[in-house]
Amino acid sequence: DIQMTQSPSAMSASVGDRVTITCRASQGIRNYLAWFQQKPGKVPKRLIYAASSLHSGVPSRFSGSGFGTEFTLTISSLQPEDFATYYCLHHNSYPRTFGQGTKVEIK
Amino acid sequence: QVQLVQSGAEVKKPGASVKVSCKASGHTFTDENIHWVRQAPGQGLEWMGWINPNSGGTNYAQKFQGRVTMTRDTSISTASMELSRLRSDDTAIYYCARDSPMVPFDYWGQGTLVTVSS
Repeated sequence: DIQMTQSPSAMSASVGDRVTITCRASQGIRNYLAWFQQKPGKVPKRLIYAASSLHSGVPSRFSGSGFGTEFTLTISSLQPEDFATYYCLHHNSYPRTFGQGTKVEIK
Repeated sequence: QVQLVQSGAEVKKPGASVKVSCKASGHTFTDENIHWVRQAPGQGLEWMGWINPNSGGTNYAQKFQGRVTMTRDTSISTASMELSRLRSDDTAIYYCARDSPMVPFDYWGQGTLVTVSS
């Protein structure tokens, strides 16, 4: 099974900060990587698919990059509504696996 | 618009079974696979498996093999997930999610809380 490791597990940041979250796959997954945002008590929300494609309606301050085993989610200027937990997901093969999540908290 | 509407919360005793349904609308039900993901309290997301609504074919995570059954009823555009021999650590929110080629989990159900308690 492919393991997905996110870092950091948690972070504190201020509004306006540039935030980068990393997701590493235990083996190559091409660009079969998606990112989701989840706020407390809410359903996960799609952000990015195919490593770097933004879903419609997602603000352009979000971006994704990477190929193979290392991927990043970047928020260029953190907004108050961005404080949440972020998960990566590989969909290269089965079983699908999520990263353990990165909680972005207010500094 | 695409919607996935799940059945309501359940409380079950250890050893019992639970069946959660997911009714799809706004798209052709048989065109896209339906996956099931769960989230225990305060924990991350865990993939359970998927069903192909067209063929009925399934693929389950090894962890749930032998305890989970995913089915569909195309006449009512509904996918279901049944988990048997429930334990307390099966207490979680269970989500269904639609899956498109290269665009995984683009739409999610609202989640169904399953509580396992004696």
